[in-house]
Amino acid sequence: AQSVTQLDSHVSVSEGTPVLLRCNYSSSYSPSLFWYVQHPNKGLQLLLKYTSAATLVKGINGFEAEFKKSETSFHLTKPSAHMSDAAEYFCVVSVTNNDMRFGAGTRLTVKP
Amino acid sequence: GAVVSQHPSWVICKSGTSVKIECRSLDFQATTMFWYRQFPKQSLMLMATSNEGSKATYEQGVEKDKFLINHASLTLSTLTVTSAHPEDSSFYICSARPPPQIVAPGTMNTEAFFGQGTRLTVV
Repeated sequence: AQSVTQLDSHVSVSEGTPVLLRCNYSSSYSPSLFWYVQHPNKGLQLLLKYTSAATLVKGINGFEAEFKKSETSFHLTKPSAHMSDAAEYFCVVSVTNNDMRFGAGTRLTVKP
Repeated sequence: GAVVSQHPSWVICKSGTSVKIECRSLDFQATTMFWYRQFPKQSLMLMATSNEGSKATYEQGVEKDKFLINHASLTLSTLTVTSAHPEDSSFYICSARPPPQIVAPGTMNTEAFFGQGTRLTVV
């Protein structure tokens, strides 16, 4: 079975500084990995996805993530945080089309 | 992008009544739909996975008779919370996934598209 661990429940950064949200996965097979963002009382929006193509994946709003098989990691980064980035971020692992497992989530706070 | 419509967005019901939540994929056929439950400030917990025309697969600990899932067509799945109680109050989210496109052995590139969620309050 596959699972995903988000290492930080809460990350706080200042506006304009880099963002790092950490995600490690466990899977017996080659996984697909996703990062979703959820703003308060809203649905989920896909930021980016990895599906065994390029290991460095670029997403929307300046986010990117790098798949590192040796470290079983898929950390989300952004060079410069914006106030509008404040939200809950979920790392998701999927092996079959019938399975999508969410991490516990990381709440990103951006200080002025 | 693909759109998933979830209805209603919020509902208040009396204890003991049943509530039906609809999840529709508007511009694609969803072979697989997922139902999640989210408690405040927590992650999404998968409740069940449904494939069109077959019975839903429920996660351990989720009562099948309480949370009835029907996936009658490739664009519609419903979740019915039967005999609702205050502890069923939560945020319910559905997602729909198009048929998989295999890009490598064992790897598919299809993302899931999420509805806006339904906030259920049982009083």
